[in-house]
Amino acid sequence: GAGVSQSPSNKVTEKGKDVELRCDPISGHTALYWYRQSLGQGLEFLIYFQGNSAPDKSGLPSDRFSAERTGGSVSTLTIQRTQQEDSAVYLCASSPVRWNEQYFGPGTRLTVT
Amino acid sequence: QKEVEQNSGPLSVPEGAIASLNCTYSDRGSQSFFWYRQYSGKSPELIMFIYSNGDKEDGRFTAQLNKASQYVSLLIRDSQPSDSATYLCAVRVISNFGNEKLTFGTGTRLTIIP
Repeated sequence: GAGVSQSPSNKVTEKGKDVELRCDPISGHTALYWYRQSLGQGLEFLIYFQGNSAPDKSGLPSDRFSAERTGGSVSTLTIQRTQQEDSAVYLCASSPVRWNEQYFGPGTRLTVT
Repeated sequence: QKEVEQNSGPLSVPEGAIASLNCTYSDRGSQSFFWYRQYSGKSPELIMFIYSNGDKEDGRFTAQLNKASQYVSLLIRDSQPSDSATYLCAVRVISNFGNEKLTFGTGTRLTIIP
């Protein structure tokens, strides 16, 4: 079946602009996660959604970052007033059961110039 | 102490040999363990996962848990050049606040030498 999809695959933006990254999870997966991976680094947890419950935002690095999940499916990660340190690959994952095996999308490579 | 630790490598293994990758974790209560493979420029791909009740074998891959020493291993038999990648270990932990999360190690870079 279809895996996790993300768009855009690449995004170049100027410092100070806002960006939106989209994630479409595997159908039927109730849990959705956003991570960030900088070059040569590990995965940094950002935010987690489980069904219609309030999201776990404990990993968001600043209030410039926000995310929503509409209808328990598609999610959008928004970064306001982007900074150069926001440059990274943003990965979305979904899982059928919370905090169990996660399946990753191809990622969005964000470059802030 | 990091919650999940891996030797960054690189680990070089001759083609056809067994590659052994280790991951140590700090939360003694952890019960779910995951191995991901990540090719350069690609996203992580789930290879295997095991629970605290036993090891698992899937084709050339075997995941083993040593609860007493708090480490989990991934063995790759008959290593192939296509196995060359970074391998990420992930452990399901429960934080002091009762929140669950999957904590990832920084990965071990494996190179299979033809």
